[in-house]
Amino acid sequence: EIVMTQSPATLSVSPGESATLSCRASQSVNSNLAWYQEKAGQPPRLLIYGASTRATGIPARFSGSVSGPEFTLTISSLQSEDFAVYYCQQYNNWPLTFGGGTKVEIK
Amino acid sequence: EVQLLESGGGLVQPEGSLRLSCAASGFTFSSYAMSWVRQAPGKGLEWVSFIGYSTSTTYYADSVKGRFTISRDNSKSTLYLQMNSLRAEDTAVYYCARMGRYCGGSGCTGGLYFDYWGQGTLVTVSS
Repeated sequence: EIVMTQSPATLSVSPGESATLSCRASQSVNSNLAWYQEKAGQPPRLLIYGASTRATGIPARFSGSVSGPEFTLTISSLQSEDFAVYYCQQYNNWPLTFGGGTKVEIK
Repeated sequence: EVQLLESGGGLVQPEGSLRLSCAASGFTFSSYAMSWVRQAPGKGLEWVSFIGYSTSTTYYADSVKGRFTISRDNSKSTLYLQMNSLRAEDTAVYYCARMGRYCGGSGCTGGLYFDYWGQGTLVTVSS
């Protein structure tokens, strides 16, 4: 099973600032990596797939990238609605696995 | 508009059974792979089971293999999860999710990410 490790567990950011979230896989997942946003009481929402492709309707302030074994989700100029928990997910191998999540909170 | 509506959750005793349903609308259900994903209270997301656009391909997480069965009725645009021998650790919100994997006349495209999610149904296993 591929283990996905997200860091940090919690990120405190002021509105208007940028946030950088990391996700590492225990083995190669190529670019088969997705990011989701989850707000309390709501189902997760797909943000990014293919490591860097924004899903339909996702604002351009959300961007995904990969450098070696590390995947990054960057949220530029955080809005109030962006404070949430973010998960990465690999879909290169079965079983499909998620990271433990990063909570982005208001500083 | 894509809509996924789960039902069938509730309180069940350990070793009991439950069947979840997910009614889909707003897209050609028979062309998309589907999955169930769960989230235990206060925990992260855990993929549970996958079914291809037809019924011939299924996968399960080790934690539910042999106890849960995924199925679909394309004529009713409905996804199911039959859960047997339930345990306390199966307590979670269960989400129905459409996969990004689409299969049409010219083949299959897309990936095994979850592009649309239902609101979820809570399953509580407790005596």
